[in-house]
Amino acid sequence: DIQMTQSPSSVSASVGDRITITCRASQGVSNWIAWFQQKPGKAPRLLIYATSSLQSGVPSRFSGGGSGSNYTLTIRSLQPEDFATYYCQQAYSFPRTFGQGTKVEIK
Amino acid sequence: QVQLVQSGAEVKKSGSSVKVSCKASGGTFRDYGINWVRQAPGQGLEWMGEIIPIFNTTNYAQKFEGRVTITADESRSTAYMELSSLRSDDTAVYYCARVAEWEALDYWGQGTLVTVSS
Repeated sequence: DIQMTQSPSSVSASVGDRITITCRASQGVSNWIAWFQQKPGKAPRLLIYATSSLQSGVPSRFSGGGSGSNYTLTIRSLQPEDFATYYCQQAYSFPRTFGQGTKVEIK
Repeated sequence: QVQLVQSGAEVKKSGSSVKVSCKASGGTFRDYGINWVRQAPGQGLEWMGEIIPIFNTTNYAQKFEGRVTITADESRSTAYMELSSLRSDDTAVYYCARVAEWEALDYWGQGTLVTVSS
């Protein structure tokens, strides 16, 4: 199985800050990476797929990048509604696997 | 628009089985795969398996192999996830999600809480 390791596990930030979350796969995943946002009690929401493609309806302050086994999610200018937990997922091989999550908290 | 509506919360005894449904609307059911993902209380997301209705093929996480069965009824636009030999650590919210291009999970059900008690 491909292991997905996210860092940091949590981050405290202020409205307007720029943050970057990193996801490292235990092997190359050829850009088959998606990012999800989850708020308490809600289902995950797709933000980014295929490393850098923005899902319809997602604000452009979210962006993704990377290659090989290293990928990033960047949120430019954090908004109050962005405080949530973020997960990466690889869709390169079965079983699909998720990172352990990064909680973005208000400083 | 696309919606996935799951069945309601369940309370089950250890050793029993649970079957959760996921009814799709607003799209062509057979054109997309359905994944099942679970989340134990306070924990992260865990992928369980997938069905592709048009091919009637499935893939399961080895962790659940032999205990999970994912099926689909195209006439009802509904996918099902059945988990057997339930244990207390199967207590979780179970989600279905549609697989779109690039294997992205673009639409999710609202989640079904399954509580396993001894």
